[in-house]
Parts: sequence; C-alpha cells; structure tokens
Amino acid sequence: AQKITQTQPGMFVQEKEAVTLDCTYDTSDPSYGLFWYKQPSSGEMIFLIYQGSYDQQNATEGRYSLNFQKARKSANLVISASQLGDSAMYFCAMREGYSDYGQNFVFGPGTRLSVLP
Amino acid sequence: GAGVSQTPSNKVTEKGKYVELRCDPISGHTALYWYRQSLGQGPEFLIYFQGTGAADDSGLPNDRFFAVRPEGSVSTLKIQRTERGDSAVYLCASSPGQRTDTQYFGPGTRLTVL
Repeated sequence: AQKITQTQPGMFVQEKEAVTLDCTYDTSDPSYGLFWYKQPSSGEMIFLIYQGSYDQQNATEGRYSLNFQKARKSANLVISASQLGDSAMYFCAMREGYSDYGQNFVFGPGTRLSVLP
Repeated sequence: GAGVSQTPSNKVTEKGKYVELRCDPISGHTALYWYRQSLGQGPEFLIYFQGTGAADDSGLPNDRFFAVRPEGSVSTLKIQRTERGDSAVYLCASSPGQRTDTQYFGPGTRLTVL
C-alpha cells in the first residue's frame, strides 16, 4: 500500500496567486513527521517545511504553510503569492517513529507545479 | 557553509561494470543517507549511516549494492555488475544527528547504464 499519496501529477497556478498541493499519508504509528521538499530542474532536493505528528499548530515557513489535518491523514502544502521560481517538483515525505533504527522515510510520487506569468 | 556534494555529477557505464558514487556530507553531520530516484518518481531509500556504521540498509535492492563510510564523513556507494535497471539519479542527504532531523540533499549523481 502507498504510504504517501500525491494525487495531483501536475498543477498550474498564476503568478502571485496561492496554490495548495495535496498529500495524504498512511501510518499506524502515533509518532511521525511530515516533510515537504522542492526539486527544481537542477535536481537538488530543497527542504521546505516540517510538521510533527504531535505539533498542535500548523507549520509555517515564510510563504509556505502546511495544512495538517491529522484525523484525515492529510498534510497539504500551501504556497502563497506564487513566484515563477516556484515552478518545480514538490515531494511530500513521511518519517515514521522516533527511534534511531528501523524507521521508514518514504517519499510520495511528487506534484509538478508550473507557475504562469 | 558548503552543502552536500556528490561526485561525479554524471556517470555513464556499460552493463556489467563496477561503479562508485561519492558523497561528501555537510561538515559535522553524523547521519548520512542514500536514495535512488528513477525518472518521474520520488526518491527511494537505500541506506542510512549513523557515524561509520550502517544503521539501516533495508533499502538496498540486492547484494550488488554496498555502501561504506569508513571515517564517519565521506560515503561511497558501490554498485557491482551494473544492470540497465540501475540507471537512475542517486541522491545523498545528511542531517545533524538523529534520524529525526531534517535531511539536506546533494545534487545527485545521474547514473546511466548502457
């Protein structure tokens, strides 16, 4: 079964508008962390934002915020005021558990975001 | 400071050959990870080092793949008897300490097996 699902293979957004990239996850572990990474055409994975399963508030980092709905097991990324440089692949990832061994760190299939001028 | 670096950036080899891919993590980072990313997919975990030891190698697909980190810094991913299906981008990431930390990725090595 897929641990991380990203149902939008591709998304378009107009420059300066907000966009939401969907991510749902599957785990039975009560302790987990959720990450979003951006991968531009250069190939490097850039960390954007992190949400812990016990965090009470939704994570925010500048123009990025994470809409964490624990009961629905979703962790959508919201990008406000899109810029042309936001065009890239976006990956949702999950780490299960907090022990140093025997964890899983899995990535979703990604969403390609294109920002239109 | 310098980020994670990987060499070579591109590697083309023939089926059956041996290849080594190198990763230089961020200075001071004790945790190091290798991933493989096939075209159009997300990264797939291969192996995780804490210091010099491989704490989790459950993602290595078979015994043709091996990785070392002898001094707890630079790591080398070694692939024996390469197959065309090994063609992918191999990503390395490091984090400050425990596996719970955010991982910082290098630019990857694109391996093409002809």
